[in-house]
Amino acid sequence: DGGITQSPKYLFRKEGQNVTLSCEQNLNHDAMYWYRQDPGQGLRLIYYSQIVNDFQKGDIAEGYSVSREKKESFPLTVTSAQKNPTAFYLCASSYLGGAEAFFGQGTRLTVV
Amino acid sequence: GESVGLHLPTLSVQEGDNSIINCAYSNSASDYFIWYKQESGKGPQFIIDIRSNMDKRQGQRVTVLLNKTVKHLSLQIAATQPGDSAVYFCAENQAGTALIFGKGTTLSVSS
Repeated sequence: DGGITQSPKYLFRKEGQNVTLSCEQNLNHDAMYWYRQDPGQGLRLIYYSQIVNDFQKGDIAEGYSVSREKKESFPLTVTSAQKNPTAFYLCASSYLGGAEAFFGQGTRLTVV
Repeated sequence: GESVGLHLPTLSVQEGDNSIINCAYSNSASDYFIWYKQESGKGPQFIIDIRSNMDKRQGQRVTVLLNKTVKHLSLQIAATQPGDSAVYFCAENQAGTALIFGKGTTLSVSS
């Protein structure tokens, strides 16, 4: 089945550690996105990529990094520079210029 | 920066009623407006979209209305069911960029 997969579903890390969230899609989409969602809030854009080896910062990129070495994969690293990393992270993909984005089931990151 | 917002954070309806969820936007250059449904602990799911050159689009039990004059978007759900209970987000998309989301409206359906 085609889809977008995020792993792990739950992630716990100690403060000061970097952590990488995985996002893989087999929908042949060119564009991929990372959003952050805090309780009771909407989705805020962290980074997006429209083509391999290229990506753009979103509204809240500070403290995060990404790579796009393969079309299917867009991992997100939450660095120790991110002041409030505990959140629900959502990855999405779409065709270039397409209105519909397909979302993964999310990774809930808790930093203790 | 410009953003998409929603009028009400919560909406409570009885099963069988029609629901109307509203959204105000500010970016006149957006090409698409989209409604998503998010159930607890899951990723958002696409419901329906509308291009900026349209004013109405219908799907199965849902209708989206776009009023560009007042920059207003609404989602109408007919015969609301308990399974419709979720958070609903409107989003806008300008070609070549990413979706920008509003804060969401929580729809609660009681039977």
